[in-house]
Amino acid sequence: KQEVTQIPAALSVPEGENLVLNCSFTDSAIYNLQWFRQDPGKGLTSLLLIQSSQREQTSGRLNASLDKSSGRSTLYIAASQPGDSATYLCAVRPEGDYKLSFGAGTTVTVRA
Amino acid sequence: NAGVMQNPRHLVRRRGQEARLRCSPMKGHSHVYWYRQLPEEGLKFMVYLQKENIIDESGMPKERFSAEFPKEGPSILRIQQVVRGDSAAYFCASSPRNTGGDSGANVLTFGAGSRLTVL
Repeated sequence: KQEVTQIPAALSVPEGENLVLNCSFTDSAIYNLQWFRQDPGKGLTSLLLIQSSQREQTSGRLNASLDKSSGRSTLYIAASQPGDSATYLCAVRPEGDYKLSFGAGTTVTVRA
Repeated sequence: NAGVMQNPRHLVRRRGQEARLRCSPMKGHSHVYWYRQLPEEGLKFMVYLQKENIIDESGMPKERFSAEFPKEGPSILRIQQVVRGDSAAYFCASSPRNTGGDSGANVLTFGAGSRLTVL
């Protein structure tokens, strides 16, 4: 059974600092890994999707890396802004399946 | 394209009442997935439906919970005789087809969720 863990559970940084969010998963037989952003009372917004054959994906200030063999992914957010405050969720999709396994998320607060 | 629409956004029920949550998938999407997010936990898969068919309900509690996706209208997640432990956010996602294939572009689009509070 796939277990997804996100550390830390919460993070508070001053504006301008770089953010590093970690995600680990127990079964390396994944099809892809996805990072989502969740704002309070809102839905999930997909940020980056990394296929199992890829090492990283980048979008603007966001960069996500994937080390499938060690079961780890890291989301980097450069030069954080107060608008980056949200909960960030990591989700993995197993090979040959459609059911996503989510981590509990990292709640980020960027202080102005 | 309005995206995945869920309603109500917030629902309050007393123990023993019924809760009905609705989900309209994105235009052109015929596959619907329901996930539940309990407080301080990650989202957990509940059920996968296509029009008029339940494909996989392995994540849904065996009692009191049911789901449907009729030929016309939204998908409905129904919880009978709600208990306090049912309080959670229920998210719906849709896709144009089963995302178990090789197409990496076929990802799920999530709705804003319905938050159920049981008093």
